[in-house]
Amino acid sequence: AQSVAQPEDQVNVAEGNPLTVKCTYSVSGNPYLFWYVQYPNRGLQFLLKYITGDNLVKGSYGFEAEFNKSQTSFHLKKPSALVSDSALYFCAVRASGDYKLSFGAGTTVTVRA
Amino acid sequence: GAVVSQHPSWVICKSGTSVKIECRSLDFQATTMFWYRQFPKQSLMLMATSNEGSKATYEQGVEKDKFLINHASLTLSTLTVTSAHPEDSSFYICSGGGRESHEQYFGPGTRLTVT
Repeated sequence: AQSVAQPEDQVNVAEGNPLTVKCTYSVSGNPYLFWYVQYPNRGLQFLLKYITGDNLVKGSYGFEAEFNKSQTSFHLKKPSALVSDSALYFCAVRASGDYKLSFGAGTTVTVRA
Repeated sequence: GAVVSQHPSWVICKSGTSVKIECRSLDFQATTMFWYRQFPKQSLMLMATSNEGSKATYEQGVEKDKFLINHASLTLSTLTVTSAHPEDSSFYICSGGGRESHEQYFGPGTRLTVT
């Protein structure tokens, strides 16, 4: 079985400050890891993924994430948050060779001006 | 990136009627499509997985006779909510995956309200 934990329901930061959204995972075999962002009443937008290779992955809108195998983590980061980054963020995992994605519960990010 | 559309984007129907939601992959062939349900401020719950030309595989607890899924072509999957009830009101999201892709491409979602 595979699962994702996002330990924080909510993250609040001031604009211009660093933003971190935490994610840990459990999966059999090699993990494929993803971050998605969702704005109200919209579908999911892809931010970035880790499949293999460099542990630091850079994605859309200035986001990046670091794959840490020993800690089974894939935290999402942005050096300088914008008010427009306020949204719901989902971490997801699947095992290589499987199409099914398992999602975390989501973290609501609020960036205040 | 690959684009997935859903139609309608929102629908209101009366209790007891059926509603069909379409999911189309616009610029790629989706060999596998997924249907999710999302309640307000909650995560996505996978309802079923469908492969083109074969029957859908439903997740535990999802009524296959209530949520009919058809994946007749590599670019179209439909979800029909039969005899809808107010508790079926939700946000339904589809996604598609190509043969060579590691990721799923998500549609914009359909808001269903049953009155």
